Amino acid sequence: GAGVSQTPSNKVTEKGKYVELRCDPISGHTALYWYRQSLGQGPEFLIYFQGTGAADDSGLPNDRFFAVRPEGSVSTLKIQRTERGDSAVYLCASSATGEYGYTFGSGTRLTVV
Amino acid sequence: AQKITQTQPGMFVQEKEAVTLDCTYDTSDQSYGLFWYKQPSSGEMIFLIYQGSYDEQNATEGRYSLNFQKARKSANLVISASQLGDSAMYFCAMRGVGGSYIPTFGRGTSLIVHP
Repeated sequence: GAGVSQTPSNKVTEKGKYVELRCDPISGHTALYWYRQSLGQGPEFLIYFQGTGAADDSGLPNDRFFAVRPEGSVSTLKIQRTERGDSAVYLCASSATGEYGYTFGSGTRLTVV
Repeated sequence: AQKITQTQPGMFVQEKEAVTLDCTYDTSDQSYGLFWYKQPSSGEMIFLIYQGSYDEQNATEGRYSLNFQKARKSANLVISASQLGDSAMYFCAMRGVGGSYIPTFGRGTSLIVHP
């Protein structure tokens, strides 16, 4: 596609529920990154994919968070047993080489009530 | 570990004037890249400018320039001739080496351009 697409743009869920956030990167971009941005903060790294594999998941806060990229294109961030502290904007970015030129999606605003 | 520090939570500038947004960084890598992104109220992160650590000249992209002072570990963004549409959050970021190229972001600076 022309840009990085993230769906849904907004998600409201109840505490304890499971959510999935989707990222569709630019076609051909092998590197994909997930970030979380809390209000008034900069993006915080969650996980990085190179192709189908998670090359670095050191930013995932706990085992409730998991992400996949089974075919090396679309990625899904999965959050189990959501907590109010998970409320944030989740950003996805992709890159052709990873060296520079990261393109971000518009993000998914997650609200846990 | 990499660290980005943006000490200005908010900046104000008159339309058509220049403004400098500060960014300092800390890294033990010899090779790294520095970025600036703009985030308007719509939420998307817009790439503005990139500076490689071995680039001898400061990067420029239209009205944006990056004042890179390697010895001081600073990478300030200069916006010339500010426009009302420049009002947004601005984030400084860096990426290291090692194959992952994972960017680390600062906390951002809010810029408001007054008419």
